[in-house]
Amino acid sequence: GAGVSQSPSNKVTEKGKDVELRCDPISGHTALYWYRQSLGQGLEFLIYFQGNSAPDKSGLPSDRFSAERTGGSVSTLTIQRTQQEDSAVYLCASSRVGQGYEQYFGPGTRLTVT
Amino acid sequence: GIQVEQSPPDLILQEGANSTLRCNFSDSVNNLQWFHQNPWGQLINLFYIPSGTKQNGRLSATTVATERYSLLYISSSQTTDSGVYFCAVAGNAGKSTFGDGTTLTVKP
Repeated sequence: GAGVSQSPSNKVTEKGKDVELRCDPISGHTALYWYRQSLGQGLEFLIYFQGNSAPDKSGLPSDRFSAERTGGSVSTLTIQRTQQEDSAVYLCASSRVGQGYEQYFGPGTRLTVT
Repeated sequence: GIQVEQSPPDLILQEGANSTLRCNFSDSVNNLQWFHQNPWGQLINLFYIPSGTKQNGRLSATTVATERYSLLYISSSQTTDSGVYFCAVAGNAGKSTFGDGTTLTVKP
């Protein structure tokens, strides 16, 4: 079946602008995660959604970052007033709870803030 | 939170050689995965292995949960094995903590 999809694949924006990144999880997966990866680094957890539970937002680096998940499926990560240090690859993953939480990743969105 | 250490940070091999990558973690986990990040940035699932041993072709993995480590074995390495290998762990349902990765270069 289809994997996790993300859009756009690349985004270049000017400092101070807002951006929205989209994630479509694998059908039937109830858990959705956002991570970011700076150049040459490992992955940094941002936020986790599980079903109808309140999301775990403990990884969001500032209040400029927010995310929502509509209808238990598609998720949007919004970064307001982007800064150059926000430049990174933003990765989304989903998992089917009940089968050990194995996560499957999308291809990522490369964000460049100029 | 859980700390994850991977070693070695970099590894260079000749094609055909074998290698062992290690992942140490600081607390009990109920989720451990190994990923391969290819040169295009895509994370490929290798193993979901919170405990025990699994094999898939030339790759195998072992996790000793009581001693808080996991090993990834690559045998008869090929140039296509090059990339970054990540270990990711989670203590409960939810966020995973990733190690910094091992960068593997396989030379022809």
